Amino acid sequence: AQTVTQSQPEMSVQEAETVTLSCTYDTSESDYYLFWYKQPPSRQMILVIRQEAYKQQNATENRFSVNFQKAAKSFSLKISDSQLGDAAMYFCALEGAGSYQLTFGKGTKLSVIP
Amino acid sequence: EPEVTQTPSHQVTQMGQEVILRCVPISNHLYFYWYRQILGQKVEFLVSFYNNEISEKSEIFDDQFSVERPDGSNFTLKIRSTKLEDSAMYFCASINDNSYEQYFGPGTRLTVT
Repeated sequence: AQTVTQSQPEMSVQEAETVTLSCTYDTSESDYYLFWYKQPPSRQMILVIRQEAYKQQNATENRFSVNFQKAAKSFSLKISDSQLGDAAMYFCALEGAGSYQLTFGKGTKLSVIP
Repeated sequence: EPEVTQTPSHQVTQMGQEVILRCVPISNHLYFYWYRQILGQKVEFLVSFYNNEISEKSEIFDDQFSVERPDGSNFTLKIRSTKLEDSAMYFCASINDNSYEQYFGPGTRLTVT
C-alpha cells in the first residue's frame, strides 16, 4: 500500500517571500512518480510539478522547485517569490509505475499575505 | 491544448436516485480514472479503466458504482442508488500510453439531498 503524508494542514507566507510545503511518502515500489497539485477555490486540480523517482536531479518549474530525498522518502515543494495567486490547497501525490493510480495526501492550505 | 471535460459541472439529486457523471477524456489517451473528493478531505481513487474493462478499483467502489465507455469518446460513472455520503466532487482523469501524467477534468460537484 502507498501512503502520502502532509503534516502541515495550513501554511502562510508573505507576498514575495519563499515557503516550503512538506510531504513524506511510503511505497514498496522501486519505480514511481511524485507530483504536487494545486487546487484553487474552483476545485480544479492543476499540476504544479512532477518528479520521476529514478532522477536524482530535483525538478524545477519557474518559481516552483522540489527537494526530493529518496532515501528519506521526502518530497517538499518550495515556492519562491510567492504571489497572491499561489493561495490554494496543495496536494502531494504518488503514482506507482505499475498501476498509475494516484495516492494523495490530505493537503496543505496555503495563504499568501499581501 | 487538449483537455479533459466533464458534465455536468454540478448535479443535485435526491437520495436513492441514479446519477450518471460524464467525462470526455483526451482523445489519444488510453487509461481513464475516477477520483472522489469529499468536501474538506483528500482526493481518493475510485477506479481505473483500460481496454474496455476495470483494471483497478478501491474499496469505495462498491456494487452501487459502475463505469462504462459507451462510445469512442465518453467515459461515464454511474451511481445506482445515491446516498447522502456520496456528496462530493468527482474528478475524471486520463493518461496516454507513453506518459505517467494524469490530466484532470474540472470535476462534477454531486450534491445528494
